[in-house]
Amino acid sequence: LAKTTQPISMDSYEGQEVNITCSHNNIATNDYITWYQQFPSQGPRFIIQGYKTKVTNEVASLFIPADRKSSTLSLPRVSLSDTAVYYCLVGVPYNQGGKLIFGQGTELSVKP
Amino acid sequence: EAGVTQSPTHLIKTRGQQATLRCSPISGHTSVYWYQQALGLGLQFLLWYDEGEERNRGNFPPRFSGRQFPNYSSELNVNALELEDSALYLCASSPTLGSYGYTFGSGTRLTVV
Repeated sequence: LAKTTQPISMDSYEGQEVNITCSHNNIATNDYITWYQQFPSQGPRFIIQGYKTKVTNEVASLFIPADRKSSTLSLPRVSLSDTAVYYCLVGVPYNQGGKLIFGQGTELSVKP
Repeated sequence: EAGVTQSPTHLIKTRGQQATLRCSPISGHTSVYWYQQALGLGLQFLLWYDEGEERNRGNFPPRFSGRQFPNYSSELNVNALELEDSALYLCASSPTLGSYGYTFGSGTRLTVV
C-alpha cells in the first residue's frame, strides 16, 4: 500500500493561494490520488481526484508530476471557511478491501 | 438529494452497555462503510457492507459488529462498551463496490462514561 506524507499543519491568510503537497513515493500504477476535506465533528468531504497531470474543479486544482511520486492540492483564494484538515489518499479502494486509508492529514488554518 | 444520514448525533452510554448506531446511505448506493475517529488516532476503518453482506472488517474486536438491511441502510453495534470506544463514528456510502468517491455522513459522537 502506498504511504503518504503531508505537512502536519499550515497557516495562511484570507485571499491567498494555498498549496499542500503530498509525497507518495511507492504509488502503484493503478493508484488514483484523492483529496478529502474534514471540518471538526463532521465526516470527510471528497474534494478532487486525479491520476496524472492536472485536474481542476470548482473547488480546487490537483497537480500531479509525470513520475506521480507526489501531488499538490491547490486552493485558490482561501477564506476562513477553508480552515479544515486535508487528507491525501492514494490507492484503489476495491484493491484495499473497500478501505479508504487516511493518514494524519494537514491541518490548514486560515487567518483573517 | 439527501446525503448520508446517521442517527443519533450524540450518544452517551455507560461502560459495559451496548450501543447501536444507524446509517442511511445515499439513494442508489449499495456499499456502506463504517469508520471510527477517536481523538488523536485518526480515521480507522471498521466495516464494509455491500448487498447485505459483510465484505471486510478492520482490526477491531468482535464486539464491534453490524449489519446491512435490504434497503441498504446499516447498523453498527458495539457491545461491552469500554471507555476507549468514545469516538466519532462515521458512516460512508458509495454507488458501486469499492468505487472511488465515498460520501460521508456527519457521524455519531459516542461517549462512554
